[in-house]
Amino acid sequence: EPEVTQTPSHQVTQMGQEVILRCVPISNHLYFYWYRQILGQKVEFLVSFYNNEISEKSEIFDDQFSVERPDGSNFTLKIRSTKLEDSAMYFCASSERVANYGYTFGSGTRLTVV
Amino acid sequence: DQQVKQNSPSLSVQEGRISILNCDYTNSMFDYFLWYKKYPAEGPTFLISISSIKDKNEDGRFTVFLNKSAKHLSLHIVPSQPGDSAVYFCAASGGPNSGYALNFGKGTSLLVTP
Repeated sequence: EPEVTQTPSHQVTQMGQEVILRCVPISNHLYFYWYRQILGQKVEFLVSFYNNEISEKSEIFDDQFSVERPDGSNFTLKIRSTKLEDSAMYFCASSERVANYGYTFGSGTRLTVV
Repeated sequence: DQQVKQNSPSLSVQEGRISILNCDYTNSMFDYFLWYKKYPAEGPTFLISISSIKDKNEDGRFTVFLNKSAKHLSLHIVPSQPGDSAVYFCAASGGPNSGYALNFGKGTSLLVTP
């Protein structure tokens, strides 16, 4: 079964450093998303991306964050100048059609900011 | 703001019995509701969904019921199996106006005992 692949599975970074979280969505999917889950809290929407541009973003997704689809297969989330409160599990997801809400999530990247 | 609420953090059910997981929402603009299942160290896995124009959707052992007037939905699993033990997230979407972003509840941890 096709899957969304995220790398790395765990990233430790020092406060103030930049990190890039990588995702390879399912190949025929057109819609891409990033979510995060801080330990003990709910899964929160960050951003949705379609046709090489952001279609929606949450209040969390401020200027510190950016997304990019640098080639035909990767979808990245960049966090500039990480803060302690950015420590969370970050999930990438993709879907084939806009009407398909049951999108496929990756296994996540656990980001730890120290 | 907690637009999707799962008020039971945990539920324990005997194998073979029915599991009922509940979810309430506050935003009447939500038009699609979903249930996801999550195992530790994995991303959420789509289970079943329901459109706001329906009141019931069934898929094998899983049935989702929607009561729009009460802004309440529930997931029934019957019969419950030990492999169903996981965290279940209720999610809701506002459709294209919100970039198909999902609003998640905090989850209910289901334990099915033999």
